[in-house]
Amino acid sequence: NAGVMQNPRHLVRRRGQEARLRCSPMKGHSHVYWYRQLPEEGLKFMVYLQKENIIDESGMPKERFSAEFPKEGPSILRIQQVVRGDSAAYFCASSPTGDLASYEQYFGPGTRLTVT
Amino acid sequence: AQRVTQPEKLLSVFKGAPVELKCNYSYSGSPELFWYVQYSRQRLQLLLRHISRESIKGFTADLNKGETSFHLKKPFAQEEDSAMYYCALLTGGGNKLTFGTGTQLKVEL
Repeated sequence: NAGVMQNPRHLVRRRGQEARLRCSPMKGHSHVYWYRQLPEEGLKFMVYLQKENIIDESGMPKERFSAEFPKEGPSILRIQQVVRGDSAAYFCASSPTGDLASYEQYFGPGTRLTVT
Repeated sequence: AQRVTQPEKLLSVFKGAPVELKCNYSYSGSPELFWYVQYSRQRLQLLLRHISRESIKGFTADLNKGETSFHLKKPFAQEEDSAMYYCALLTGGGNKLTFGTGTQLKVEL
């Protein structure tokens, strides 16, 4: 089991471009979480998805950000018209169920987005 | 609102000395707390959770509801303990983790 995979590991975008971040959960995991880490800050929850459903998007900025987890393929975090403030490390985590009190979240290596 | 505070950005101790990484939380519900660790060039991984009451790699953490704290302790620091440590609180009905800003532990010889 290769663990949670994220790609790309590093992404550079110019202001106004789109950024697409991919996350493949661990085998057998159908619950995916995205977190963002700004410089000098802790990880902040963005969105929680199950296959084909968004369960909790309370941490997602209202505009420009969207996430999906299709029936087939990886989860995608999409940022449209990126701005410098979007520069951060974006982490994906997966778990076998949504019961995080009982089941561990496994984290990916992160994607470092730099907006120039 | 829920919040996790780790007051120290960096904690430097000598090998063999005791370690205490501080974590305080603010949460109106019944707290479930975790410590995560990130070693150099590795992924964030779970170290321990308060409900399991176990010791992992010599680390323990006790939930103190009166002081709203969940400090991580180890009696004798080892060089391999050098890493970034994050305290996290389970919130949102158990759907998500609220993280502190992390403490970098450096164990010196």
